[in-house]
Amino acid sequence: QSVLTQPPSVSGAPGQTVTISCTGSNSNIGAGDDVHWYQLLPGTAPKLLIYNNNNRPSGVPDRFSGSKSGTSASLAITGLQAEDEADYYCQSSDDRLTATVFGGGTKLTVL
Amino acid sequence: QVTLKESGLTLVKPTQTLTLTCTFSGFSLSTSGMGVGWIRQPPGKALEWLALTYWNEDKHYSPSLKSRLTITQDTSKNQVVLTLTNMDPVDTATYYCGHIDLGSGKFYSYWGQGALVTVSS
Repeated sequence: QSVLTQPPSVSGAPGQTVTISCTGSNSNIGAGDDVHWYQLLPGTAPKLLIYNNNNRPSGVPDRFSGSKSGTSASLAITGLQAEDEADYYCQSSDDRLTATVFGGGTKLTVL
Repeated sequence: QVTLKESGLTLVKPTQTLTLTCTFSGFSLSTSGMGVGWIRQPPGKALEWLALTYWNEDKHYSPSLKSRLTITQDTSKNQVVLTLTNMDPVDTATYYCGHIDLGSGKFYSYWGQGALVTVSS
């Protein structure tokens, strides 16, 4: 069971917007620890998508955005494209565990 | 350009010890703020963080695996080694190493390609 909770799956049609939530607690996200997001395509290493809550590495389209509030964070993907179909993971740090923590992952299906 | 690559035996027997090496380039673990961590993903399951070591040899371990894990670093060789004792079939996974730069944040900006480790007799 993951420290951070994500919905197992989300879906949307091309062009639509989907949001993936990441819920933590007062010992991680709620304690002020930043949230980061990764995209996993089958057979490939994780790719950093959003860092420090709402920053995009160079090369990541601005269709991807992140936000954080209280003990939760969200990843939004606008203008869905077929190539966005992948697994998405949130990550933060837990002060009580002194550990990196990941969410359980969310599978995005583009209908 | 930062690159990382995992290497080691990819087929281990139950009860054996897994030893994986992450060889990296493009940064030095003697530089303040640098870190290398290990993360794994069992087939069809979620990412699981294992361990992390920093430039100052500050080390952190997954609480659930702490008794079985050891992470060490050889700064001169640009390598970080992870050992996991008493392997079990549930430890079958793709093992990744990743780079952290605390100056930017506690996220893994670069990852290795991963090493699929199978535990079977």
